[in-house]
Amino acid sequence: SAVISQKPSRDICQRGTSLTIQCQVDSQVTMMFWYRQQPGQSLTLIATANQGSEATYESGFVIDKFPISRPNLTFSTLTVSNMSPEDSSIYLCSVADGDEYNEQFFGPGTRLTVL
Amino acid sequence: GQNIDQPTEMTATEGAIVQINCTYQTSGFNGLFWYQQHAGEAPTFLSYNVLDGLEEKGRFSSFLSRSKGYSYLLLKELQMKDSASYLCAVKDSNYQLIWGAGTKLIIKP
Repeated sequence: SAVISQKPSRDICQRGTSLTIQCQVDSQVTMMFWYRQQPGQSLTLIATANQGSEATYESGFVIDKFPISRPNLTFSTLTVSNMSPEDSSIYLCSVADGDEYNEQFFGPGTRLTVL
Repeated sequence: GQNIDQPTEMTATEGAIVQINCTYQTSGFNGLFWYQQHAGEAPTFLSYNVLDGLEEKGRFSSFLSRSKGYSYLLLKELQMKDSASYLCAVKDSNYQLIWGAGTKLIIKP
């Protein structure tokens, strides 16, 4: 199983600023995902990031607000731009691994609070 | 639209058995997953079903009926550490995971 780390684990940011979240995997993986989870709610997929191609964003999420980089098969970043209090959430990096990508593993998450 | 339904919250007693149901309506089906998420932690993989029937893994079992769009997660010999949220997710025809809102399971002594 893949082991995933994220930085930072938590942050408190001011409105209007940007934060970049890093995701590091201990093995090479093709498919990486960024999720948002607001308190007491389930997971919402922001985008899928495959190495060598542009990230694919889900409805309601745009590249200008959530730019993603995927420079290699073990690393990705998600930036939350021009933050507002509504962006306060847990951001989770995830990778698909195993046969036919049937297991999805999650990083520990980044808890973001925007004041 | 795509929809996954599961109860918001359930309560059970330590040592007992609990069944958490999940019904789904998705555009295509390429497997159903159950994840466990303790408060403040990331989800962890529990089970995967793609064919009808029961998959048993220790104290946890997961059942799938594709014709009914239905699954359940069965937890036996409940322990206090099983208190968590249980997330049902379905992989659709685009191999994208569609997530349910999760069921918060409360275990009482």
